[in-house]
Amino acid sequence: NAGVTQTPKFRILKIGQSMTLQCTQDMNHNYMYWYRQDPGMGLKLIYYSVGAGITDKGEVPNGYNVSRSTTEDFPLRLELAAPSQTSVYFCASSNLAGGWNEQFFGPGTRLTVL
Amino acid sequence: AQSVTQLDSQVPVFEEAPVELRCNYSSSVSVYLFWYVQYPNQGLQLLLKYLSGSTLVKGINGFEAEFNKSQTSFHLRKPSVHISDTAEYFCAVSVYTGNQFYFGTGTSLTVIP
Repeated sequence: NAGVTQTPKFRILKIGQSMTLQCTQDMNHNYMYWYRQDPGMGLKLIYYSVGAGITDKGEVPNGYNVSRSTTEDFPLRLELAAPSQTSVYFCASSNLAGGWNEQFFGPGTRLTVL
Repeated sequence: AQSVTQLDSQVPVFEEAPVELRCNYSSSVSVYLFWYVQYPNQGLQLLLKYLSGSTLVKGINGFEAEFNKSQTSFHLRKPSVHISDTAEYFCAVSVYTGNQFYFGTGTSLTVIP
């Protein structure tokens, strides 16, 4: 199993451009998450999904959109990139409901907005 | 609401010395507790977790953590560190009925030869 994969690994955007960060998991997990990691700030939850067709906002959803058409894929969309969105983005997945379930993380996408 | 505080942002330690990384949490309900490790340019990997039972939890790579309910702490320890332990360490909590994790700001452990 590849686990959780993310593409691209690195990206530089100009202000106002849009892009989609891809996330795919092959573990048949129902739950998927998007986090951003800023220096010294830990991880902040952007959006999460409890299954195909169901998404919900996390702590910092503004400026982002998500969709979940399949169990495997959970893309994150930036419509109008801003410098404040410069960060490292991590996708994660977990098996079942309940806080006791471990989250499995992808390797991250490093995004710079200039 | 839940919150996690990692008191030390950076911890330098000499090789083969013991280390303790501190984590305190705040929650009005019962929680599950986790420690994750992040090696340079990689995603997070689970080190260990406390769900219930014994308050001393053993994880991978010789790490262990102790849950102290009265002090709302979950400190991570290793009796003898190696160069390969140099990484960022994150403490996280989740609630019994929740779907979300709450992460601390991380502790950067640097092992000095």
